[in-house]
Amino acid sequence: EVLLVESGGGLVQPGGSLRLSCAASGFTFSNYDMSWVRQAPGKGLEWVSVVNTAGGIYYADSVKGRFTLSRDSSKNTLYLQMNDLRVGDTAVYYCARSMPGGGTNFQHWGQGTLVTVSS
Amino acid sequence: DIQMTQSPSTLSASVGDRVTITCRASQNINKWLAWYQEKPGKAPKLLIYKASSLESGVPSRFSGSGSGTEFTLTISSLQPDDFATYYCQQYDSYSTFGQGTKVEIK
Repeated sequence: EVLLVESGGGLVQPGGSLRLSCAASGFTFSNYDMSWVRQAPGKGLEWVSVVNTAGGIYYADSVKGRFTLSRDSSKNTLYLQMNDLRVGDTAVYYCARSMPGGGTNFQHWGQGTLVTVSS
Repeated sequence: DIQMTQSPSTLSASVGDRVTITCRASQNINKWLAWYQEKPGKAPKLLIYKASSLESGVPSRFSGSGSGTEFTLTISSLQPDDFATYYCQQYDSYSTFGQGTKVEIK
């Protein structure tokens, strides 16, 4: 069974930093594209970042230069380092796995972790 | 960037109704489109991928169609469990979601 478990969310002041983690199990982690998707309170879904199986990493314009995605295949873990956080970054952050064959699609999702940016 | 426009934003329907949601892309995305269902407090669930392929375990009352820039999600006979918010998503170039369609009880 595919399982994705996010952690690391919490309350942070504007300008602060957080690192989110996503522990993956039930599949060969290095064989799939992995993404972060977020949802602000009462709003729609927004793709944040993806790492593909070749190691290519891409970001939404809204987080480029502030967020850094990485993966550690030895630990089956995906990370999102978030710096210079803004009130507008407040959201539930989901880790998601692609379908076989890759692409920025989201076949499996974690339960999400809430990030609140507020003074 | 590719923009995705869904309509309607809200849809009121009854159990047994046929429901259609439309999604329009700002440029050609071939068939690289997915549909998701979201319920409050839960992660989204993949329903349809590659515009018309049904994800494993998803009831056959859900279907998708379209290519290029125009796509539809159809629920042939709405069931109580289907009242939720639905999102389209393009994955031709990175990813963009539509703004969502809330299907509520009439």
